[in-house]
This record gives sequence, structure tokens and C-alpha cells, in this order.
Amino acid sequence: RKEVEQDPGPFNVPEGATVAFNCTYSNSASQSFFWYRQDCRKEPKLLMSVYSSGNEDGRFTAQLNRASQYISLLIRDSKLSDSATYLCVVNSGGYQKVTFGTGTKLQVIP
Amino acid sequence: DAGVTQSPTHLIKTRGQHVTLRCSPISGHKSVSWYQQVLGQGPQFIFQYYEKEERGRGNFPDRFSARQFPNYSSELNVNALLLGDSALYLCASSLVWDQETQYFGPGTRLLVL
Repeated sequence: RKEVEQDPGPFNVPEGATVAFNCTYSNSASQSFFWYRQDCRKEPKLLMSVYSSGNEDGRFTAQLNRASQYISLLIRDSKLSDSATYLCVVNSGGYQKVTFGTGTKLQVIP
Repeated sequence: DAGVTQSPTHLIKTRGQHVTLRCSPISGHKSVSWYQQVLGQGPQFIFQYYEKEERGRGNFPDRFSARQFPNYSSELNVNALLLGDSALYLCASSLVWDQETQYFGPGTRLLVL
């Protein structure tokens, strides 16, 4: 089983739709979690951290479920500019413990 | 403030050659990590340096090496290049050692022919 698994997609959604991605992780000792966004041929950029209590940033909501070992990202009212690959990142603490998922591709269609 | 910078932006090499990639972290950041991203995959961890010492190494062969300089900039070296080394090489800096909140540079695209 991969340490961090994501559905590669693509998720093709119309503008204004709500879309959700999940990411599962295998190491129960994982300590911190993040969502990054990567545009085509660009570097990853931090979208948001994921906290146990859940956190929201505008149209984006991230959740952590430690019991089932997954994190989620919900995007409401999708915009064309949301089209990108969303990378799930898990930090198991300490050095060399950062693991990226393969990413989920989102395409928002006019 | 300048972000993470990397050079060169693009590079073409042939099999068996050697390559050196360079990274300058955000001012004040003492941790630099290197990642390899092949097409269609997420970044794979190669090295982390903190305070000029190697603090972590991913599952890469000894052909890959790196170092960090007193000004916290870093070099990634790859010897005896293989076709499979073709990838985007990303450098990320963070303020402290635990790699929380990393900031990535634009990467170096390496093509090995």
C-alpha cells in the first residue's frame, strides 16, 4: 500500500459546482497534513494546512479524519482558475518524513 | 522578499554526464529540501539539509548527492545520468527543520537524452 494515495482524476466539473477530493495515508503516526496546489509546469504552492478540527479558507474546506486515516479538500463554487492538480502532503514528523501523493487533477469547465 | 530561486531553469544532458543544480532559499530559511518530480507523479523526497548538515535522505542511489553552504544555499549533484533521471527537480525551503510550511522554487527541468 502506498504511504499516501489520491485518486488521480481528472475531475471535470462545471463552474459553480462543489467538488471534493480525498487522500488516504497509511502511517497512523503521521503528524501534520497539507494540501498543495500545482499548476501545469509550475511548482507546488501551499493551499492550506489541515487540522483535526477542520479548517476553512474562503471557498476551501479541509478536514482530517484520523480514525479512518484520510484527509479531504472541499471546493465550493468552483472557478475556472481552480483548475490545477491538488497534492496531498503528509508529514510523519522529523526529517525525511514528508510524503506527497500523486495528485488529483481538477478541470473546471465553463 | 525574493522567494526560492533555482538555476538553471532547463537543462539537457546525455547519459553518463554529471549535473549540478543550484538553489537559494528564502532569506532567513535554514532548511533546504530537494525533490524529484517525474511526469504524472507527486514530488519524491531526495534530501533535506538543515544548518549545513544532511538531515534526511530519500530512497535515491548514491549517484545523487547534495550539500548546503554557509549562506544556506544548496547544490544537488547527480552523477552518471540515466534516462530515468529526466524530471523536474524542486527545491523547497523552510524556516526550521521540521519542514512545516515549505516554499518551493520554480524547479529545474532536466532532460537526459
